Amino acid sequence: DTAVSQTPKYLVTQMGNDKSIKCEQNLGHDTMYWYKQDSKKFLKIMFSYNNKELIINETVPNRFSPKSPDKAHLNLHINSLELGDSAVYFCASSLVGGPAQYFGPGTRLTVL
Amino acid sequence: GDSVTQMEGPVTLSEEAFLTINCTYTATGYPSLFWYVQYPGEGLQLLLKATKADDKGSNKGFEATYRKETTSFHLEKGSVQVSDSAVYFCASVTNAGGTSYGKLTFGQGTILTVHP
Repeated sequence: DTAVSQTPKYLVTQMGNDKSIKCEQNLGHDTMYWYKQDSKKFLKIMFSYNNKELIINETVPNRFSPKSPDKAHLNLHINSLELGDSAVYFCASSLVGGPAQYFGPGTRLTVL
Repeated sequence: GDSVTQMEGPVTLSEEAFLTINCTYTATGYPSLFWYVQYPGEGLQLLLKATKADDKGSNKGFEATYRKETTSFHLEKGSVQVSDSAVYFCASVTNAGGTSYGKLTFGQGTILTVHP
């Protein structure tokens, strides 16, 4: 009964390709997030959705496009992958008024 | 904007030693504060939290007290174990306009290694 799940866990791909990472939560939360963790372990928010609506959009390149088909899912699509996109991407969720956020296991993306 | 600063690591301790990892924050409002732990190869787990001044969060022998006067949320444990070896992140979130869509702001993480 995983709370926040992500697929795939590992993703290795070539520069220029397009890839997607999926996230699902079964906690009944209505807010979901994407974070990026770089090679130095630094974590930074990318996006936040509340009830399928975009709430937070940090200065992320347009190549990154989140999509939320329903409030339990938040997928991340990345176009034209670059070497600098290599990182671990974490999905998280929370209740409005939470404020704690609960994280998925992460997706390690490697761009060759 | 909000920021969180953690003591620089890595921290190396012997089993049963006392642990302190310092964390200070700056925020425009009244943040909620968190400690997250990341074990090797895993995602982030919420370790403990405090939502207002003087609150003490505790879990698994770890404690942290929300100190508004010093804008700090230091993590402590009286006796660490080898299994506590992990990366520890301090984080804050400030409500925006009465909602809790706030983004978590993380410190840089502190690597803890505990030797037998």
